[in-house]
Amino acid sequence: DVKVTQSSRYLVKRTGEKVFLECVQDMDHENMFWYRQDPGLGLRLIYFSYDVKMKEKGDIPEGYSVSREKKERFSLILESASTNQTSMYLCASSVTGHSNQPQHFGDGTRLSIL
Amino acid sequence: AQKITQTQPGMFVQEKEAVTLDCTYDTSDPSYGLFWYKQPSSGEMIFLIYQGSYDQQNATEGRYSLNFQKARKSANLVISASQLGDSAMYFCAMREPKAAGNKLTFGGGTRVLVKP
Repeated sequence: DVKVTQSSRYLVKRTGEKVFLECVQDMDHENMFWYRQDPGLGLRLIYFSYDVKMKEKGDIPEGYSVSREKKERFSLILESASTNQTSMYLCASSVTGHSNQPQHFGDGTRLSIL
Repeated sequence: AQKITQTQPGMFVQEKEAVTLDCTYDTSDPSYGLFWYKQPSSGEMIFLIYQGSYDQQNATEGRYSLNFQKARKSANLVISASQLGDSAMYFCAMREPKAAGNKLTFGGGTRVLVKP
């Protein structure tokens, strides 16, 4: 079974802090993704990566950055956290080239910025 | 423009009855894939079912089936014989082949509550 592990289920930080959310997958997947989920808006893509050290902006990248130094690990960074970044964050991974293969998700991190 | 639309924000269903969750999509590409995920209150996203645009048959997986109407651009999820454990958020998502990294676009979700 594919395992995608997010470092924290719940996280509380203060405005202005630098926040790191970590994600690790164990299936050698090429693609990794970071989403945020807000009520009524579904999942919105922040950033994704299709290879080590490669990254692409998603639909809502402002205020975020990412890092992928190793294939299995994809980090989301909030450079200076703000209250409007309070949300549920979901990491996912998938293989490349098989269009019928789903993305596999971690359990999510509920982040509160005070 | 919204690519994936789920018009039902929430719905109740009686245990053991069937429920249909609506999903319409918008794409100009003839080749695409549609996915449904379930998200229980615990938060994890569980993949349920996939339908490819060229698939001849509607997809089925156990109690889940897809009512795929290509001309109408709809891919409704049908859950038969609802169980209490089916209470969750359900998301429809689309993958377009031109999208880099096999990324998905998600709808806003439908919350289902199964009543005993």
